[in-house]
Amino acid sequence: DAGVIQSPRHEVTEMGQEVTLRCKPISGHDYLFWYRQTMMRGLELLIYFNNNVPIDDSGMPEDRFSAKMPNASFSTLKIQPSEPRDSAVYFCASSLALGGRLQPQHFGDGTRLSIL
Amino acid sequence: KQEVTQIPAALSVPEGENLVLNCSFTDSAIYNLQWFRQDPGKGLTSLLLIQSSQREQTSGRLNASLDKSSGRSTLYIAASQPGDSATYLCAVTDSWGKLQFGAGTQVVVTP
Repeated sequence: DAGVIQSPRHEVTEMGQEVTLRCKPISGHDYLFWYRQTMMRGLELLIYFNNNVPIDDSGMPEDRFSAKMPNASFSTLKIQPSEPRDSAVYFCASSLALGGRLQPQHFGDGTRLSIL
Repeated sequence: KQEVTQIPAALSVPEGENLVLNCSFTDSAIYNLQWFRQDPGKGLTSLLLIQSSQREQTSGRLNASLDKSSGRSTLYIAASQPGDSATYLCAVTDSWGKLQFGAGTQVVVTP
């Protein structure tokens, strides 16, 4: 089991640039979640997908943020244009529903994003 | 709106002592509650998941209780070890699968 794989692990870029974060969920999982973690706000859910369909994007902070899941094995979170206040650690997690119940979410190691 | 609170924010204990971490939530209509561990620079590792119909879950030295009516969960770690040093987060899940996290308790176990 390779676990949830995120790339890149670290990203440093200048404000105004487009940033794309990538996630490969665990094979067979039908839920995928994107989170953001900051010292000030802790862990916040940005968006989640079920069977590649976005279910709840109410946590996405602004229109500058967008997420896609073109297939069951890949998702992207894009920020365009990026701003310094977007600096945070972004986590992807995946999970599986069995018998109508969600199983524990498995988290990737995160992408540490710094916008200068 | 669901609010999840963890007390204390930080805790330091000598090796061998039992750890008691508290989590409270304002809306009792939860689907389940999870306890996670986060090591510096790493993602979250799920430790225990308690379904809303359960009262407790155990795994090795870890035991988590859930009192849904009072909006409380407690994580007990028996006979703490330096390797238990980490940040522990609790999170409640609503029926749609949305996780709401507490701010975490940072634990240091001194040798």
